[in-house]
Amino acid sequence: EVQLLESGGDLVQTGGSLRLACVASGFSFNSYAMSWVRQAPGKGLEWVSATGSGGIDKHYADSVRGRFTISRDNSKNTLYLQMNSLRVEDTAVYYCAKAGKTVAHTRYFDAWGLGTLVTVSS
Amino acid sequence: DIQMTQSPSSVYASIGDRVTISCRASQGVSSSLAWYQQRPGKAPKLLIYGASSLQSGVPSRFSGSGSGTDFTLTLSSLQPEDFATYYCQQADSFPLTFGGGTKVEIK
Repeated sequence: EVQLLESGGDLVQTGGSLRLACVASGFSFNSYAMSWVRQAPGKGLEWVSATGSGGIDKHYADSVRGRFTISRDNSKNTLYLQMNSLRVEDTAVYYCAKAGKTVAHTRYFDAWGLGTLVTVSS
Repeated sequence: DIQMTQSPSSVYASIGDRVTISCRASQGVSSSLAWYQQRPGKAPKLLIYGASSLQSGVPSRFSGSGSGTDFTLTLSSLQPEDFATYYCQQADSFPLTFGGGTKVEIK
């Protein structure tokens, strides 16, 4: 069974930093691209960042580029999101999500974690 | 960036009704379109990928169609567990983008 478990969410002040982690199990983590998707309270889904299976290719939403960094450690089956210079508008539940296939350019998600809440206070 | 526009934003329906949700992309995305269901307090669940391919384990009352810029998710006979919010997502190019969501509510 595929499982994704996020951690690291917390209450932080504006300008602060957090590192989120997502531990994966039940599939060959090093074969799949992974993404972070967030959802502000009462709002819709917003894709944040993606990394290819090898961790070389990385993509970011304009809203986080230059502040957030995605990475992965395939030896630990773990995806990370380093979040710096946090803003109130970064407040959201952050989900990690697994690409649907190992085929390159598969950009939909067939498994999601339960999410971790990041709250940024001014 | 590709903008995804869903309509309606909410729909009221009864058990057994047929429900159709539309999603329009601001530019062509071929068949690179996915649909998700999200129940309150839960993570999204993949229903449809490639515009019309049913994800394993998803009931056959869900179906997707379309290509290019116009897509449709159809629920053929609404069941109690289908009351949720539905999102489309273009999977054609970065940045990936979602529609604003359609909430299916009980009439």
